[in-house]
Amino acid sequence: GQNIDQPTEMTATEGAIVQINCTYQTSGFNGLFWYQQHAGEAPTFLSYNVLDGLEEKGRFSSFLSRSKGYSYLLLKELQMKDSASYLCAVRANAGGTSYGKLTFGQGTILTVHP
Amino acid sequence: NAGVMQNPRHLVRRRGQEARLRCSPMKGHSHVYWYRQLPEEGLKFMVYLQKENIIDESGMPKERFSAEFPKEGPSILRIQQVVRGDSAAYFCASSPNRNQPQHFGDGTRLSIL
Repeated sequence: GQNIDQPTEMTATEGAIVQINCTYQTSGFNGLFWYQQHAGEAPTFLSYNVLDGLEEKGRFSSFLSRSKGYSYLLLKELQMKDSASYLCAVRANAGGTSYGKLTFGQGTILTVHP
Repeated sequence: NAGVMQNPRHLVRRRGQEARLRCSPMKGHSHVYWYRQLPEEGLKFMVYLQKENIIDESGMPKERFSAEFPKEGPSILRIQQVVRGDSAAYFCASSPNRNQPQHFGDGTRLSIL
């Protein structure tokens, strides 16, 4: 099975930097994904990591350590529109029938204040 | 380039009726995934399909729920004899292959009266 943990809520100030952590325990691993979801809308793909290290995409970066079962999403130069839920998801190992599906954490609700 | 299209956006059914949810994947995507999101809960995997084949249905209840992805046309998630507990947002996602990130549609919000 898979277990994914992330903080329930976080708050930050406009213009600041925030780091959202995600820890996971899985029977197999083949990728960690981050999505953004505004209330009542579809999850939007942000980034993913398969290998250890940092992936940077504009104001968003994601880091992965497979040995520690740990990832974080870093958001820089926060804007009010970044207020949303951030979902961490893990994909299972290749080769099995479960490969392909994503297992999601509960999501972290980020509120950005002026 | 159209994204994943789901319809209807909102669906209201009475207990005991059938609900049919449709999903057209992004152009060039042949892998489709259905997820359910209950109020105040995370997204839960239901079923993974590739054209005409069910690859993984481990997250789908054995009773009343079925899914298909025919050679022509959209993927359909069908819920028979709906109950109040089926009220949720149902999201469809697609990818060109199972290695690539999944992209989600806007979802169908199902309400059971």
